This record gives sequence, structure tokens and C-alpha cells, in this order.
Amino acid sequence: GAVVSQHPSWVICKSGTSVKIECRSLDFQATTMFWYRQFPKQSLMLMATSNEGSKATYEQGVEKDKFLINHASLTLSTLTVTSAHPEDSSFYICSAGLAGRKGETQYFGPGTRLLVL
Amino acid sequence: AQRVTQPEKLLSVFKGAPVELKCNYSYSGSPELFWYVQYSRQRLQLLLRHISRESIKGFTADLNKGETSFHLKKPFAQEEDSAMYYCALIGSGNTGKLIFGQGTTLQVKP
Repeated sequence: GAVVSQHPSWVICKSGTSVKIECRSLDFQATTMFWYRQFPKQSLMLMATSNEGSKATYEQGVEKDKFLINHASLTLSTLTVTSAHPEDSSFYICSAGLAGRKGETQYFGPGTRLLVL
Repeated sequence: AQRVTQPEKLLSVFKGAPVELKCNYSYSGSPELFWYVQYSRQRLQLLLRHISRESIKGFTADLNKGETSFHLKKPFAQEEDSAMYYCALIGSGNTGKLIFGQGTTLQVKP
């Protein structure tokens, strides 16, 4: 089956530093990847939609200069949290959809837990 | 506005009892609806989608357009069904964006 990986699985960093999270589709090509944020015991909140070779589309209220997304290939998207602050601490999850198939299943990564001190 | 509502944060039942996890949606158009499940310490995974009309692990869900609902049902709950369940809607515009409900924790007691 389709597998999505994320790296790192968890990260602790100091306030003011930048953190990069990778999302990879391991055995399929993903035209579109999605980035979510999940607070404890809350639902997933979509942050942005990432399309290969083009700029990401951010949801309302998400700062694109704060959360930089790059989707350089059909198997890799990265989310960089720039100048991280404690309020950015959260669980970040990516998902990938099979190329060219609207409404098809999205496959989710295991998530990355970020703690900013 | 597109919205998915799961009114129950927690649903606790005994093993063997019927289960119904409620989901209501707000959408102008023909929705694509899904149920995702997240077991403890595992990633989110698809349980079922309405266009497949299939039953997975004994769960079924019927889309009721009149009531704008997509409730998840299982006649006899098992302990291994304990998990977080999310109802989700594919948004409009061919973007494939999933809009999630708040999630319901199902706790099946022995």
C-alpha cells in the first residue's frame, strides 16, 4: 500500500531557530501534499496545500512567511517553521494524494512533534 | 461554508453494544465524505468513504443528503475499535482538501 513518511518524528529546538520537516511518499508519486497541524485532543487543521513545482496554497490565517513549504519533487515536500516560538509547538502531519486523482484517498504520515523551548 | 460537525467528543460503550458515531456536514454541492480512524500511537488511516459503499471492520456509513449526515455505525462494538474517529469532507474546487470534523473518541469497555 501507499506509505508516507515524515522526518524527524520529533524535534526539540530553541526559540528563534528554524526547523525543517520532510514528508515523503515512499512508493507512489504525489502531485499534491497537504500539511496539517494538530493540537492536543483537537482535530487536524489544514495549513496548506502543496503542489509539485508550484507555490503552496495557504489556508486563511496561516502565515506563509512563517511556514515555508517546498514541493520540489513528486515524492518530497518540506515544511520549514522559521524563527520558531513556543506557540508553534504542535503536532505537524502531512498527507499525500495519488497523482491526478481527485477525491482519492489521502495517505497520512505519522506526524512530527515539535517542541519549541 | 463547508463544515463537518461531530457533536460527541467521547462515546463510551460496552463490548458487543451497537455503536453510532454522528457526523453532520454543511456543503453546497455533491459532497465526498470519509471516515478516518486513528488508533493509539498510530497514524491516521482511511476507514471508509461513501462512494465505495463498502463495509470495513464491520463499520458502515450511509450518506443521507436530506439530513446532511454521514453517521458511522457498527452493530457490535469490539474492544479493538477503541480509537479516535474523524469524519471528513472533500472540499470543492478540485483541490482535494479534506475538511475534518472535531473527532470522536470511541471507548469500548470490556
